[in-house]
This record gives sequence, structure tokens and C-alpha cells, in this order.
Amino acid sequence: DARVTQTPRHKVTEMGQEVTMRCQPILGHNTVFWYRQTMMQGLELLAYFRNRAPLDDSGMPKDRFSAEMPDATLATLKIQPSEPRDSAVYFCASGPSAKTGGLTEAFFGQGTRLTVV
Amino acid sequence: DQQVKQNSPSLSVQEGRISILNCDYTNSMFDYFLWYKKYPAEGPTFLISISSIKDKNEDGRFTVFLNKSAKHLSLHIVPSQPGDSAVYFCAASGGGGADGLTFGKGTHLIIQP
Repeated sequence: DARVTQTPRHKVTEMGQEVTMRCQPILGHNTVFWYRQTMMQGLELLAYFRNRAPLDDSGMPKDRFSAEMPDATLATLKIQPSEPRDSAVYFCASGPSAKTGGLTEAFFGQGTRLTVV
Repeated sequence: DQQVKQNSPSLSVQEGRISILNCDYTNSMFDYFLWYKKYPAEGPTFLISISSIKDKNEDGRFTVFLNKSAKHLSLHIVPSQPGDSAVYFCAASGGGGADGLTFGKGTHLIIQP
């Protein structure tokens, strides 16, 4: 049963601490997304990768957030230092490319619920 | 500035009746549209999609309609069932799907017995 796996599922941390969220995309998917869900903004696109190369990270606060794909089986989202306003659910999603090279659909992980106190 | 808008935060429908969820978009470069369903404490799951070359796509109880001139799409669920109670997100993509998905804020659908 192929699925996107995110760890940890829940994280509570103190303001100023570094937080790293991990994602294992579905094998064979070459597009990986990071989204953040908040009550006010809904699902915001933070960054996405195609074939491990970052295509767009304009939605991400660059001073504290960083996203990487060290290899095809792992994507990471790091926040350093974390702030209370970063509290949200962070979703990773992966998808295959259509024959045209675009995305057909994205499959989401269960999310990491981050609380920064 | 929200490029994908779902103006109804919630919608209540009686079981067996039709549920109609609406979505508007502003970016004329969007050419691929998707609907996702989300239960609490789970990630969104893909429901149905439509390309801009079509105006209708049907899959079982779910039908998506696209009106490009009005930049509007809708999801019809008929008949509505209790398990359909969830948050529904509309999403759009441009560049033939080469761009990331832009989501609306979601509509919470409540199916009443």
C-alpha cells in the first residue's frame, strides 16, 4: 500500500528551537510538495521539488525555513529558530508527472502537527 | 491575494440530496483543477480532477463542472451520504500541471441524517 510517510506526527517545541520534519514520498513519484495548513490561510504551498531540484520556494520564509531533498526517498523541512506563529499542520505530498511533464494529482501524508510554545 | 476562492466556509445538506460545492479562481493561467477531501487528523485525499479542455468530469457520485469564461468550478455529490461529511478543498495548477497546486481555504460539508 503506497503512501507518503511523514515523521513525526506531532511535535511540541519551545520557541527558538530547531525543528526538522521528514517526508518519505511514494516510490517513483518525482514531484514533492510541502504545504502548511492554518485556520486563517488554509493550505499554503511552501515549496516543491521536481526530480529533487527545488522549483519554487517562494511561499517559504527564507530567513528561518529551509527545504531539501538529500535523496529521492527523503524530503526535509527545517525551521530554525522556530516561533509560535509557525504552529500549524505541515503536509508533505508527492505525485507522478503526467506524460506532458505536469502533475496529475498529489498524494498527501498525514501531516506533522507542530506546536511552538 | 487568494487565487482560488471557496466562499462558503461550511455547507449543510440532508442525506440523499445533492451537495454542490463551489470554487472560483482568478488566475487565467490555471489549466488543471482538482478537488480534495479531508477528514480530521488526516491528509487531504484526491477526489476528482478536470482539465481546462473539458467542461465536465464524472466519477460515480461525484461530478465536477468547469466554466472557464466565469472562472468557476463546482463539485456535485449525488446522492449525499453521511461519509461525505468532510472538508473539501478546491485546487488549481497551471503550466499544464507543471506548477504547484494552489488550494482554496476549504468548505466544511456536513451531511445531516
